Amino acid sequence: AQSVTQLDSQVPVFEEAPVELRCNYSSSVSVYLFWYVQYPNQGLQLLLKYLSGSTLVESINGFEAEFNKSQTSFHLRKPSVHISDTAEYFCAVLYNFNKFYFGSGTKLNVKP
Amino acid sequence: ETGVTQSPTHLIKTRGQQVTLRCSSQSGHNTVSWYQQALGQGPQFIFQYYREEENGRGNFPPRFSGLQFPNYSSELNVNALELDDSALYLCASSFGTGPLVPYEQYFGPGTRLTVT
Repeated sequence: AQSVTQLDSQVPVFEEAPVELRCNYSSSVSVYLFWYVQYPNQGLQLLLKYLSGSTLVESINGFEAEFNKSQTSFHLRKPSVHISDTAEYFCAVLYNFNKFYFGSGTKLNVKP
Repeated sequence: ETGVTQSPTHLIKTRGQQVTLRCSSQSGHNTVSWYQQALGQGPQFIFQYYREEENGRGNFPPRFSGLQFPNYSSELNVNALELDDSALYLCASSFGTGPLVPYEQYFGPGTRLTVT
């Protein structure tokens, strides 16, 4: 069975500190990887995606993620977080071109 | 360009009843997927419709069914509601160009269903 593992359910961090949210997936076939962000009482918003090409992908608000095929990982990083980054982050994998599998989410809590 | 919309926002039903949730896809999108997000968990894939045909299904019983209409709006129907069906139901639309082409999804705000 396919699975997506987010190793940390909660990550507390101080403002302007760096952060890494971890994501591992189980698959030996080609996969397509995504990070979504969910603010309180809102739906999911696409943060960034890896479909092909460069293994390092970036979002418009300073987040980046690197696809590592050998480690089956797609960790999300930001060198300096802001209070407004407080949200829940979900890693997702597209399998078989018709099913998205999501991790259980990581709550990022940025403290002043 | 309008985004994905869902109705109603909140809904309370009694165990054993039936419910219909609705979704309007983003303009130009021909694919819709439905997800169940229980409290404290990630979204779980229910099924996907592509050009009005079911195109994939997750591990949900047959009492979860769906429809996609020619205008690409969609419905999720759940029969014989159980307490565990209480969750946020998310609709996501996308534009699929073919069966073996990756794509990204755009989510609606969800419908919060409470079963008592």
